[in-house]
Amino acid sequence: EVQLVESGGGLVKPGGSLRLSCAASGFTFSSYSTNWVRQAPGKGLEWVSSISSSGTYIYYADSVKGRFTISRDNAKNSLYLQMNSLRAEDTAVFYCARGVVRGGSLFGYFDLWGRGTLVTVSP
Amino acid sequence: DIQMTQSPSSLSASVGDRVTITCRASQSISSYLNWYQQKPGKAPKLLIYAASSLQSGVPSRFGGSGSGTDFTLTISSLQPEDFATYYCQQSYSTPGTTFGGGTKVEIK
Repeated sequence: EVQLVESGGGLVKPGGSLRLSCAASGFTFSSYSTNWVRQAPGKGLEWVSSISSSGTYIYYADSVKGRFTISRDNAKNSLYLQMNSLRAEDTAVFYCARGVVRGGSLFGYFDLWGRGTLVTVSP
Repeated sequence: DIQMTQSPSSLSASVGDRVTITCRASQSISSYLNWYQQKPGKAPKLLIYAASSLQSGVPSRFGGSGSGTDFTLTISSLQPEDFATYYCQQSYSTPGTTFGGGTKVEIK
């Protein structure tokens, strides 16, 4: 089955760290860019970070730059997000999404999403 | 950064109605505009990519149009399963991709 499955979410104190993982299956993971998108409770979608298929190109939202690090291991069909210096405003469901990049589009469209993992930052 | 503004933020409609949602970009994004549907507690689902291309498996009552800065998502005949929140996304340029604020479609 073609799917993405996130893990690693949980409750963490402000200033703490957490590492999210996203396991891909059913498709050639190394052929696609992958992305993290988050959604705070009751709010809209916010793009967090993207990494190209080979890992060469990496982008971050300003809100997480310097605190979060995206990476991937194509041999393990996995995507990661290392989150440091967490803040209350980072509380959200974090989704992993597959990107299809064509033509001149830098980020493409996100055609496959995981179910998400909840990160709660609270004392 | 490119800002995406959706309107309306919410709407009430009946089954069978034609529904139109608008998304405006703060600068030209050519046709690099995608639409997603999200139901409560679920992950977003891709509906339309590149402004007007229907994603495989998505019903033909969904349609997208526009280019440059102004885009539209149209549902030709609203069905019970279409009540959800819809987001546009620009995928044009750095520093990053951005989503619109969402449009919640509710039952009248």
